[in-house]
Amino acid sequence: GAVVSQHPSWVICKSGTSVKIECRSLDFQATTMFWYRQFPKQSLMLMATSNEGSKATYEQGVEKDKFLINHASLTLSTLTVTSAHPEDSSFYICSAPKNRANYEQYFGPGTRLTVT
Amino acid sequence: GNSVTQMEGPVTLSEEAFLTINCTYTATGYPSLFWYVQYPGEGLQLLLKATKADDKGSNKGFEATYRKETTSFHLEKGSVQVSDSAVYFCALSTFRGGSNYKLTFGKGTLLTVNP
Repeated sequence: GAVVSQHPSWVICKSGTSVKIECRSLDFQATTMFWYRQFPKQSLMLMATSNEGSKATYEQGVEKDKFLINHASLTLSTLTVTSAHPEDSSFYICSAPKNRANYEQYFGPGTRLTVT
Repeated sequence: GNSVTQMEGPVTLSEEAFLTINCTYTATGYPSLFWYVQYPGEGLQLLLKATKADDKGSNKGFEATYRKETTSFHLEKGSVQVSDSAVYFCALSTFRGGSNYKLTFGKGTLLTVNP
C-alpha cells in the first residue's frame, strides 16, 4: 500500500538553529501534503497545507516565517523550523492524501524535535 | 469551530474483552467521521470511516456508527486481541472548498490489551 516516510525520525538541536524535516510519498504522487504538530497527550493540530508548485496555506496562529514549508516535487515536502526555541519541541507529523477526496490520508511516522 | 472529544485513556483490557471508546463531535455542516489507529512506532492508519448519518464503518472487527442525533461515533469491538494495543484517534473532516478538506482530531486513547 501507499507509504509516507519522514526524515529524520528524531532530532535534537540547539536554540537558534534551524531544522529541516522531510516528508516523502514513496509510491504515489501527492500535490497536497499536510503538516501537523502533536503535543504530549494532545491531539494532532493542523499547521499548514503544503501545495506542490505554490505557497503553503497556514492555519490561523501558525507563524509562516517560523515554519517554512516547501513542496518542490510531487513526492517531497519539507518543513523547516527556523531559529528554533525550546517551545518548538514537539512531534511533527505529515500526511498525504490518497486521492482527490483527500480526507483519506496516509500519515508519516512522525519526527520528534527537541530543542535544547 | 469544529471539535472532537474522545474518551481519555489509558484503557487496559484483557484479551477477548469488549471494547468501547466514546467519541462525540461538534461541527458545522455535514462532516465525515473517522477512526485512525497508531501502532507503536508507526504512522496513523485509517481504521474505518462513515460519511453520512446512520452509516456504519467497519474494519478488522471494529465498528462505529455515525449518529447525527447524538453527534457521536463510538468505536466498538466485541473481542480485543493483544495486537489491537495502539492509540486510537477519532477525527472529523470538513470541506474547505475545491478539493481541500481539514481533519480535526480528538486527543487519542491509548489501548493496552493484556494476554
